[in-house]
Amino acid sequence: DTGVSQNPRHKITKRGQNVTFRCDPISEHNRLYWYRQTLGQGPEFLTYFQNEAQLEKSRLLSDRFSAERPKGSFSTLEIQRTEQGDSAMYLCASSQNPGGYEQYFGPGTRLTVT
Amino acid sequence: GESVGLHLPTLSVQEGDNSIINCAYSNSASDYFIWYKQESGKGPQFIIDIRSNMDKRQGQRVTVLLNKTVKHLSLQIAATQPGDSAVYFCAENIGRGYNKLIFGAGTRLAVHP
Repeated sequence: DTGVSQNPRHKITKRGQNVTFRCDPISEHNRLYWYRQTLGQGPEFLTYFQNEAQLEKSRLLSDRFSAERPKGSFSTLEIQRTEQGDSAMYLCASSQNPGGYEQYFGPGTRLTVT
Repeated sequence: GESVGLHLPTLSVQEGDNSIINCAYSNSASDYFIWYKQESGKGPQFIIDIRSNMDKRQGQRVTVLLNKTVKHLSLQIAATQPGDSAVYFCAENIGRGYNKLIFGAGTRLAVHP
């Protein structure tokens, strides 16, 4: 499978704990995006990388959230001191820019904070 | 803030009929639009895209129409099949650089035999 992969697929954590998610983009894609999706809503943009550089962050990305893409390949999204409001599906997407521009999404990581 | 919206939250169609899913966008600066299909428990799946310099684009069984005058986007699915049942999102790219997408809330398509 050469699509976008995300791990873990599901994560249950207690409030106050830290969690980290991983995304492996399509190998030739230089852009990587993180989105958050709550039930019944469309995905909301969080941040994106061009290679290893983080170029934009949404106001949704509070200081408890941090994302990295150290070698320009896989990326991690960490949430510190999780809150119940962080419960959502965290989606990763990748694209080639310049190129096709269309963003291809992974299956997501569903986070439940109890 | 500006966002992509959808007219109908749920659309029910008979198998074999054509489906039309509508979307209104509010940002006249948007220059790129994508339709995604999302099945339960899965990530959004790319269906078709269109740039603002076009008003129509066709794919396999799908057609996207863009009306910039009224800021309206539609997805037409021909001969709808049970496997088309899902939530459909339109998304817009605002500004240059194709660096993020703004999604609407989605329309659920239910295909009945």
